[in-house]
Amino acid sequence: DGGITQSPKYLFRKEGQNVTLSCEQNLNHDAMYWYRQDPGQGLRLIYYSQIVNDFQKGDIAEGYSVSREKKESFPLTVTSAQKNPTAFYLCASSITSGSYTDTQYFGPGTRLTVL
Amino acid sequence: GENVEQHPSTLSVQEGDSAVIKCTYSDSASNYFPWYKQELGKGPQLIIDIRSNVGEKKDQRIAVTLNKTAKHFSLHITETQPEDSAVYFCAASSRASKIIFGSGTRLSIRP
Repeated sequence: DGGITQSPKYLFRKEGQNVTLSCEQNLNHDAMYWYRQDPGQGLRLIYYSQIVNDFQKGDIAEGYSVSREKKESFPLTVTSAQKNPTAFYLCASSITSGSYTDTQYFGPGTRLTVL
Repeated sequence: GENVEQHPSTLSVQEGDSAVIKCTYSDSASNYFPWYKQELGKGPQLIIDIRSNVGEKKDQRIAVTLNKTAKHFSLHITETQPEDSAVYFCAASSRASKIIFGSGTRLSIRP
């Protein structure tokens, strides 16, 4: 059963704590992405990775960090430096064809709430 | 900078009627336009996409049209059903790894 999995589905964090969100895919996709979604807004890109051991900042990278040690995994850490981390976090993946835009497929999301 | 505007933000239609959602984009180099449907508490799912070398694409009750000159594209859903109720996002991309999303349209189907 191929797809993208994210865990946990719900996550609660106290202020000042770092938390790590998991994203795994078995689609053999090269590229992976993290987006943040706030109520009533579109998706904003946090980080993306087109290949193992390489990643790029998106539009709102401050307060977040990522790693890409394996092709199938792209964990996101929300650090205490992120001022307003409460949001719905979405992971996506795509085949990468260089300059050709490929379809991005999304996971089910993780809802993070800071208490 | 690159921007995608989406209208309306909310849309309510009678079951069986058609629904139309419109988007405009700013980057004239955009060449890929996907549409996603997001149900409450779930991740977005691709429902249809179109590339700039095509003016229209249809898949059963769903169709997308693209006007490159005017830099706008639209989603058309015909014979709407209760399960069409969701939030719909348009998006535009001019290069790999960079997709700009609209702010979403909440579609409600009245029985």
